[in-house]
Amino acid sequence: EVQLLESGGGLVQPGGSLRLSCAASGFTFDTYAMTWVRQAPGKGLEWVSAIRANGVNTYYADSVKGRFTISRDNSKNTLYLQMNSLRAEDTAVYYCARFVILGVPRPFAYWGQGTLVTVSS
Amino acid sequence: EIVLTQSPGTLSLSPGERATLSCRASQSFSSSYLAWYQQKPGQAPRLLIHGASSRATGIPDRFSGSGSGTDFTLTISRLEPEDFAVYYCQQYGSSPPWTFGQGTKVEIK
Repeated sequence: EVQLLESGGGLVQPGGSLRLSCAASGFTFDTYAMTWVRQAPGKGLEWVSAIRANGVNTYYADSVKGRFTISRDNSKNTLYLQMNSLRAEDTAVYYCARFVILGVPRPFAYWGQGTLVTVSS
Repeated sequence: EIVLTQSPGTLSLSPGERATLSCRASQSFSSSYLAWYQQKPGQAPRLLIHGASSRATGIPDRFSGSGSGTDFTLTISRLEPEDFAVYYCQQYGSSPPWTFGQGTKVEIK
C-alpha cells in the first residue's frame, strides 16, 4: 500500500524557516517524481514544487522560487521542502504527492494527509 | 502557463440529480493530461479521472469525464450523499507548472 506521511509543519514567524518532510513507503520511491501542493485556509489547491526521480531536476512555482528548495533522499525514501523567508501568504496545508513526468506523464495519484504551516507573529 | 477556469463556482443539487462541471483552459493542450480530483473537508484530494476520461482505480462509474482542446467536463450521473465535495481539474503534462483550476463546490440543495 502506497503511503505518504508529511511532517515538520508548525507555527513560524514571518521571515523564518521551516523544513517539511514526506516519508514514503509501499512503492519504489526512486522511480517516481514527487511534488508539493499547498492549500491556504478556505482556498483551492496550488502546485508549489516538484522533483524528478533522480533528484537532479527541480521545478518551482513563481510564488516560491528563490525561497523554497525541494530535495529528496532516495536512500531514506524521503522528500523534503526547505522553506525560507516565509511570509504570511505561505500559510497553508502542505501536501506531498507522487506522480510521473517522464515517458507517459501520470497525475498526482497518491497524496499524504498534509501538514499545516502557519506563518504569523 | 495554462490557466484553468472552472464553472460554476458552486453547484446546488439534490441527491440523485446529475452534476455537470466545466473546466476551460486558456490554451489548447493534450487531453491525455487532464485530471479531475475530489476533495472533502479535512481530507487530501483524491484522483477521480485522468487522461480526461479514464477513471482512476476504484472510482464508481457514475463519474465520467469528457472533452478535448480547451473544454473539459466532469459528469456525476446520479449524486450520492458522499459526492458532495469540491472538485478540481488539473493539467499534468511533462512540463511545469502543473496547475489546478480554482474548484467547483457541489453542495446539497
